[in-house]
Amino acid sequence: DAGVTQSPTHLIKTRGQQVTLRCSPKSGHDTVSWYQQALGQGPQFIFQYYEEEERQRGNFPDRFSGHQFPNYSSELNVNALLLGDSALYLCASRRQGAVWNSPLHFGNGTRLTVT
Amino acid sequence: GQQVMQIPQYQHVQEGEDFTTYCNSSTTLSNIQWYKQRPGGHPVFLIQLVKSGEVKKQKRLTFQFGEAKKNSSLHITATQTTDVGTYFCAGPNQGGSEKLVFGKGTKLTVNP
Repeated sequence: DAGVTQSPTHLIKTRGQQVTLRCSPKSGHDTVSWYQQALGQGPQFIFQYYEEEERQRGNFPDRFSGHQFPNYSSELNVNALLLGDSALYLCASRRQGAVWNSPLHFGNGTRLTVT
Repeated sequence: GQQVMQIPQYQHVQEGEDFTTYCNSSTTLSNIQWYKQRPGGHPVFLIQLVKSGEVKKQKRLTFQFGEAKKNSSLHITATQTTDVGTYFCAGPNQGGSEKLVFGKGTKLTVNP
């Protein structure tokens, strides 16, 4: 049973460019959250998707947007990249029917470097 | 906004020594979760504490949730090299939010 899978694993972009990161949740999971983890920091919540809608959002600008597809997979898009967007982007999923505070299952992340 | 603080930021121990990390929230938490992230890896769920004063054990790891549900600790007895990694505590944002607020973590290194 595959866990949460993310692609690509690494990405290098130039300031001002746009990037799309992808996530497939664990089988049986329908809720996907995205987190940004800067070096030496804890993960910071970007937003959460459930039933193809953004349900909650953290303190991130509108340059960060997302989407969830009918198969529960998700994308994170970041426009007009800044050097400060360099980080590990983590996708986390939660199983169907779980209570709202149940544990998250994280993917291996996408390491984004903006030069 | 809600803050979750962890101390210490770094801890170096000799193999066999004990280790403790402390977590404090600026607000009362409905529950607290602990995650471990190995170097180069992703956070992996360890445990969730829900009840005031709750204590849970996993082999050499002991987790506590404070009576006021604002603090928590993780204690590792007789550390091993496999314990190396960063330990994060996380609590839900206020009001039943699904957003988890993570501390900055405690990075543990173990000298063999």
